[in-house]
Amino acid sequence: EPEVTQTPSHQVTQMGQEVILRCVPISNHLYFYWYRQILGQKVEFLVSFYNNEISEKSEIFDDQFSVERPDGSNFTLKIRSTKLEDSAMYFCASKSQPSNQPQHFGDGTRLSIL
Amino acid sequence: AQTVTQSQPEMSVQEAETVTLSCTYDTSESDYYLFWYKQPPSRQMILVIRQEAYKQQNATENRFSVNFQKAAKSFSLKISDSQLGDAAMYFCAYRRQRTSGSRLTFGEGTQLTVNP
Repeated sequence: EPEVTQTPSHQVTQMGQEVILRCVPISNHLYFYWYRQILGQKVEFLVSFYNNEISEKSEIFDDQFSVERPDGSNFTLKIRSTKLEDSAMYFCASKSQPSNQPQHFGDGTRLSIL
Repeated sequence: AQTVTQSQPEMSVQEAETVTLSCTYDTSESDYYLFWYKQPPSRQMILVIRQEAYKQQNATENRFSVNFQKAAKSFSLKISDSQLGDAAMYFCAYRRQRTSGSRLTFGEGTQLTVNP
């Protein structure tokens, strides 16, 4: 069964540095998402992406964050000037066109900011 | 804004027994989808079951079934014949139907322990 793949599985970065989290969505999917889960808390929506542009973003997704689909297969989340509170599990998800289809999640990237 | 509430932070069940996890939600929409996701210690997010709000029939997937009460805005998950591998964090999630790519809104989660 096709899967959403995320790399790296764990990223350790110094505060203030930039980090790029990578995702390869399922190949025929059209909708892409990033979610965040701070340890011990619920999963929070960050951003959705469709037709090469952001379709929705949450209040968490400020100017520090950006997303890109650089080559038609990868979907990246960039965090500029990371802060301690950015430490979390970041999940990528993708979804096919029909409305009733679910979002499929990757295994996540654990981001640790030191 | 839509909200999802899971009032049971922790639940436990004996192996082979049945357990029900509760979820309520608040929305002004009439058409939407509801999901249960499982997150084992590995922290993957695995879809367990989904329900379309316009369907009156409760969804079932093998040992997993839901009790969807639209008027009460309640969406509970029943796990029958519980197995050790069912131990995980379970998240209830809501998605509105209006836009195909709408976000998921998650509840706080219920940590399920399965005792041998």
